[in-house]
Amino acid sequence: DSGVTQTPKHLITATGQRVTLRCSPRSGDLSVYWYQQSLDQGLQFLIQYYNGEERAKGNILERFSAQQFPDLHSELNLSSLELGDSALYFCASSVGPQGLQYFGPGTRLTVT
Amino acid sequence: AQTVTQSQPEMSVQEAETVTLSCTYDTSESNYYLFWYKQPPSRQMILVIRQEAYKQQNATENRFSVNFQKAAKSFSLKISDSQLGDTAMYFCAFIDAYGNKLVFGAGTILRVKS
Repeated sequence: DSGVTQTPKHLITATGQRVTLRCSPRSGDLSVYWYQQSLDQGLQFLIQYYNGEERAKGNILERFSAQQFPDLHSELNLSSLELGDSALYFCASSVGPQGLQYFGPGTRLTVT
Repeated sequence: AQTVTQSQPEMSVQEAETVTLSCTYDTSESNYYLFWYKQPPSRQMILVIRQEAYKQQNATENRFSVNFQKAAKSFSLKISDSQLGDTAMYFCAFIDAYGNKLVFGAGTILRVKS
């Protein structure tokens, strides 16, 4: 158990819908990272927040957004969902703006 | 941009034997970190081993060791005394010293046979 929690574990929704994925980092970690693992794109970095501020952006679609709250938990919002958004979404956390990243168990999103 | 290449999509090994997974990477940075992550059927990402580029000594964690060749930009993982529980997808990953994102290879599926 890495100490990073993600909810829900599984999510099934229809195209065009909006979902919110939640992540709680390890106690004491200030950075949260979001990654997407899909069959065709592999594991890709989406976005990082550090102490409430966006710090780095990767291959994140405009339909996706994220935020980190004062209690340091983070949410990834996915809207206007398409079939291709079906993937495993991982959250990771680290103590500082860089550093060893510990991964949560992931949220499996299925868009039908 | 950094890239990570794992040229072996699948490998298999007999229980108790040794197997080596290959990884090459491309970067212009001199200071960076390399990792091997294991992803079993549960899909959890588990850190297996890490290597700092400024350290010449190869990292070792119990049955897992790496062969880090900085000039060749190669970072292979050796698993000794393979166990059934080692069956998983293995990802090689890179992050530069000032970077935020892990760059992953495509992964190698390892099957340990009894």
